Amino acid sequence: GNSVTQMEGPVTLSEEAFLTINCTYTATGYPSLFWYVQYPGEGLQLLLKATKADDKGSNKGFEATYRKETTSFHLEKGSVQVSDSAVYFCALTPNRDDKIIFGKGTRLHILP
Amino acid sequence: DAGVIQSPRHEVTEMGQEVTLRCKPISGHDYLFWYRQTMMRGLELLIYFNNNVPIDDSGMPEDRFSAKMPNASFSTLKIQPSEPRDSAVYFCASSSRARPDTQYFGPGTRLTVL
Repeated sequence: GNSVTQMEGPVTLSEEAFLTINCTYTATGYPSLFWYVQYPGEGLQLLLKATKADDKGSNKGFEATYRKETTSFHLEKGSVQVSDSAVYFCALTPNRDDKIIFGKGTRLHILP
Repeated sequence: DAGVIQSPRHEVTEMGQEVTLRCKPISGHDYLFWYRQTMMRGLELLIYFNNNVPIDDSGMPEDRFSAKMPNASFSTLKIQPSEPRDSAVYFCASSSRARPDTQYFGPGTRLTVL
């Protein structure tokens, strides 16, 4: 079946630290991959996406590369800010399906 | 341009009462999704609609839950009777046919059942 596994949180970092949140997936066919972010008290919003192997999605200083050989889509940012504190969800849609399959989310705390 | 609108934002009710959550999707969107989020279970898809027709309700936990979409601009999620274990944040999301893989979420309704 289709599923997403991401590292458990919470992840706590100091401001300006390097961030990696690991995500691996299991899917049939060629899924599209996403990172969504949920800020406190809000709904989820799309952060970035990649639709085919070796694509790199990027937004707000965050990046993730679609690695088919390792079935991974790790989220990275070179220098985090306090405002990046949120819950991050890795997700996929199999073959442009209607539904999105979300991981369990990783809570990120950035200390000033 | 208005995003997805949900009401109420907070609801506190007593066990056994009927609860109705409301959602207005983004105008022109074809898909509407209802999710439930709890600390224990994370984000769960309950049901989704395409052009007002329910497509997949396999995530609806039991018969106490029902959802309707009478027109393209309005949907309801009803719980009757409510139980304390229904306490959660309920999100509505919508997406367009042109980009079905990008969902836009509402701010959520925080439900507390006492």
